[in-house]
Order: sequence, then C-alpha cells, then structure tokens
Amino acid sequence: GQSLEQPSEVTAVEGAIVQINCTYQTSGFYGLSWYQQHDGGAPTFLSYNALDGLEETGRFSSFLSRSDSYGYLLLQELQMKDSASYFCAAYGGATNKLIFGTGTLLAVQP
Amino acid sequence: DADVTQTPRNRITKTGKRIMLECSQTKGHDRMYWYRQDPGLGLRLIYYSFDVKDINKGEISDGYSVSRQAQAKFSLSLESAIPNQTALYFCATSVGESTYEQYFGPGTRLTVT
Repeated sequence: GQSLEQPSEVTAVEGAIVQINCTYQTSGFYGLSWYQQHDGGAPTFLSYNALDGLEETGRFSSFLSRSDSYGYLLLQELQMKDSASYFCAAYGGATNKLIFGTGTLLAVQP
Repeated sequence: DADVTQTPRNRITKTGKRIMLECSQTKGHDRMYWYRQDPGLGLRLIYYSFDVKDINKGEISDGYSVSRQAQAKFSLSLESAIPNQTALYFCATSVGESTYEQYFGPGTRLTVT
C-alpha cells in the first residue's frame, strides 16, 4: 500500500522555527511535495523535492532523504499567517498521481 | 478572475438525488483532478484526467462518475447521493509532467441529508 505519516498538530510561537516531518511508504516514488491550506481555503503548492537535500524558498525550506523515506518542511520566522494545515504528498511518477498525507495543523501563538 | 473555478460552492441535497459538480480552468493545463477532503483524512483522489480522452479512477471512485467535456472543463457526478458523501470537494489542475505541482479550485462543500 501507499501511506504517508505526519503529526496531526504542531504548536509554535511567533518568530520561532518549526519542523513538520513526513515519512512515506509508496511504490514508484519520484518526489515529495508540500501544500499549505488555510482554514476554509484551497490547498496551495509550496515546494517539491525530487532529489535528496534541502530546498529553500524564502522562509520555507523542504528536505528529502530517499534512503530514510523521510522529508520535512521547515518554517522559519513564524508569523501568525502561517497558522494553517500543511500536507506532504508523495508523487509516484509511474502512476502520475499524488498521494496526500493526512495533514499537520500548525498553530502559531503570539 | 480565479484560474480554477468550481460551481456550486455550497450544496445541500437529499439522499438518492443525482448531483453534478463542475470545474473550469483558464490555466491552459491538460491535467485535471477531483479530490474529496474529510476531516482527519486529508485529500483523496476520486478521478483524474490527463486529456479530454483520458479518464482514470483514483482511490475512491465508487459512487462517482466524471466527464471531461473540454480541456478546460471537468465535471464530477454523484449518481445517487448518500450521506457519507458529505465532504469538501476540490478540483485541481496541473500541466504536463508536473503532476506534483497542482493548482486547486476553491472547493465545493456538499452536504447529503
């Protein structure tokens, strides 16, 4: 089967750094995507890692380790507007599909 | 104007009724998807289409059907709605090989009573 695991909730304070982990078990794995979804809104694409290592985009970075079937999203200088759900999603190139994790609800406190 | 639009945004229907959810996009993307979202279950793929003549079942296609009327339009139908189809439904698009980067519509909140 195919599955992704991520924590259901994470809490952090404004200005801090938070890491959201994701472990996956998927066949034909090509890469790992991350999406953000504010309450009541649509998911929006944040990043994609096809290769091992860290990809940085502004305050957000995403990491992948294929050997460990593991990735994480790192959010720095947290702002209140970062309070949202974050989903990792495994891309199976052979299947051409995204399989989503169940999401991590990030609460940023003042 | 939004690149991916969904109609209706909210719908309440009764058990046994047929209902259609519509999705249109102006992004010029060839690939379109329908997902449902339930609390605690993330996004699950119902159907996807890589072009007008290509329709594929996703993880949870039972009880649903789709139609790709044009490159820009992808409709989802519930033939006979049941209460456990109450959910938030999202349409998404992507281009070419970049299936990992999808663009989502605003969602349709469907309630089946």
